[in-house]
Amino acid sequence: EVQMLESGGGFVQPGGSLRLSCAASGFTFSNYAITWVRQAPGKGLEWVSTISGSSDVTYYADSVKGRFTISRDNSKNTLFLQMNSLRVEDTAIYYCAKGDDFWGRYSAHWGQGTLVTVSS
Amino acid sequence: EIVMTQSPATLSVSPGERATLSCRASQSVSSNLAWYQQKPGQAPRLLIYGASTRAPGFPARFSGSGSGTEFTLTISSLQSEDFAIYYCQQYNAWPPGTFGQGTKVEIK
Repeated sequence: EVQMLESGGGFVQPGGSLRLSCAASGFTFSNYAITWVRQAPGKGLEWVSTISGSSDVTYYADSVKGRFTISRDNSKNTLFLQMNSLRVEDTAIYYCAKGDDFWGRYSAHWGQGTLVTVSS
Repeated sequence: EIVMTQSPATLSVSPGERATLSCRASQSVSSNLAWYQQKPGQAPRLLIYGASTRAPGFPARFSGSGSGTEFTLTISSLQSEDFAIYYCQQYNAWPPGTFGQGTKVEIK
């Protein structure tokens, strides 16, 4: 059974940093692109970033480019999202999701999410 | 960036009735469209991909149709467990994989 489990969320002041993790199991982790999607409280879904299985390709939404860094450790089946220079508008539940096509463009398996709150 | 527009924002339906949700793209996305179902406090679940292919675990009362810029999600006979928010997402011009703003299906 595919499982995705996010951790690392919490409360941080504007300008601060946070590192999210996503532990995956139930599939050959290195074979799949993985994506971060976020959802602000009471709002819709926003694609954040995707990383290829071998880490050779990464993509970012314009809203986070230059501030967030996606990475993965295939030896530990773990995905990361390093978030720097956080803004109030980054407040959201962050989901990791296993890609279901080669590029990871859509996802059938999501974690339950981790809440990031940016506030002074 | 392709903009996805869903309508209506809220759909009030009685159990057993048919629900029709619309999703429009600002430019053609071919058949590269997914639908997700999200219930309160839960992560989204992939419902449809390729505009019309149902994901495992969803019954046949759910169907997707359309191509280009106009897409429809139909729930033929609403059950209590179907009341949720439904999002469409294009993945033709990816990244970014833009989502619609969602349609909430509520009990009438």
